[in-house]
Amino acid sequence: EVQLVESGGGLVQPGRSLRLSCAASGFTFDDYAMHWVRQAPGKGLEWVSGISWNSGSIGYADSVKGRFTISRDNAKNSLYLQMNSLRAEDTALYYCAKDKDYGGISGYFDYWGQGTLVTVSS
Amino acid sequence: QSALTQPASVSGSPGQSITISCTGTSSDVGGYNYVSWYQQHPGKAPKLMIYEVSNRPSGVPDRFSGSKSGNTASLTISGLQAEDEADYYCSSYTSSSTHVVFGGGTKLTVL
Repeated sequence: EVQLVESGGGLVQPGRSLRLSCAASGFTFDDYAMHWVRQAPGKGLEWVSGISWNSGSIGYADSVKGRFTISRDNAKNSLYLQMNSLRAEDTALYYCAKDKDYGGISGYFDYWGQGTLVTVSS
Repeated sequence: QSALTQPASVSGSPGQSITISCTGTSSDVGGYNYVSWYQQHPGKAPKLMIYEVSNRPSGVPDRFSGSKSGNTASLTISGLQAEDEADYYCSSYTSSSTHVVFGGGTKLTVL
């Protein structure tokens, strides 16, 4: 059974940093691209960032480019999101999602975690 | 403002069919067959319903179908059931450096 478990969320002041983690199990982690998708309270889904199986292809939403860094450790079956210079508008539930296709970034997310809540407020 | 445009809401009665549109540009929906649709019930994670415009993952009822014409993709749900009431989001691969864009979401109400 595929499982994605996010952690690392919490309350943080504007301008500070936070690191999210996603522990994956139930599939061959290093065969698939992985993504972070967020959802602000009462709002829609927003793709944040994605990383290919070998970290050779990485993309970011314009809203986080230069502030967030995605990475993965295939030996630990883990995905990360380093979030710096956080703003109030980054407040959201952050989902870890598995890309459906083998290898590169296709943009289909066939498995999702339950999310970790990030609240940016003073 | 979302990159892909969806109607904010649609509604239908049980047994009826509804269609949700998703309009983009030639850089995303129109340029690739990498359109997908997600269903999200309140308090739950999204669920993949359609990928590559019209393919259904295993376990998704065949009442759900997808199509595309030009820069607009569509999700059709036939034989509406009460449990179909949810938010639906489209997404597409994009040629921009962002890779993936979502629509703003459509709230489906089953009357």
